[in-house]
Amino acid sequence: KQEVTQIPAALSVPEGENLVLNCSFTDSAIYNLQWFRQDPGKGLTSLLLIQSSQREQTSGRLNASLDKSSGRSTLYIAASQPGDSATYLCAPRGGETSGSRLTFGEGTQLTVNP
Amino acid sequence: NAGVTQTPKFQVLKTGQSMTLQCAQDMNHEYMSWYRQDPGMGLRLIHYSVGAGITDQGEVPNGYNVSRSTTEDFPLRLLSAAPSQTSVYFCASSSRPPTSGRSVGTGELFFGEGSRLTVL
Repeated sequence: KQEVTQIPAALSVPEGENLVLNCSFTDSAIYNLQWFRQDPGKGLTSLLLIQSSQREQTSGRLNASLDKSSGRSTLYIAASQPGDSATYLCAPRGGETSGSRLTFGEGTQLTVNP
Repeated sequence: NAGVTQTPKFQVLKTGQSMTLQCAQDMNHEYMSWYRQDPGMGLRLIHYSVGAGITDQGEVPNGYNVSRSTTEDFPLRLLSAAPSQTSVYFCASSSRPPTSGRSVGTGELFFGEGSRLTVL
């Protein structure tokens, strides 16, 4: 069974800092890994999707990397802003034998202070 | 493009009542799924479907039924609501991830806004 751990559980930084969120998973037989953002009381918004054959993906100030063999992914946020405050979730997607299921970590709650 | 639409957004039930949470997507996605999100438990998969007429159980299926008669719709039924089913429910859909050399999309998962259910 896939298990996903996200470190740190919570992070508070001043505006402008660069920061790294970590995600580790136990089963490296994945098709892809997705990073999501969730604002309080809202649904999940997809940020980045990395296919298993890729090493990284970038979107604006966000960069996600994937090391499938070691079961790790990182989300790098450059020049953080108060609007980045949210919970960030990573979810590796299993193969066909697992029903292509996503398994979620419990997330990193990020607060960016003005 | 509406994406994934869930109804209702809020619902209060009494123990023993039944209800259906509706989910519809307009992206022609084969894969649809239901999650529940509880404090300290994260997101847990209830049921999922890889196409019309095909459903399977996730991590926490007890007390819930699903069916998939069309590609667009994937309703979640609570047959006899219990207080333990108080939660926020999310529906999600995606194209089928590349399998066996057949690539039909990226497999990126899109979520609805959620349905907050309280069972008294």
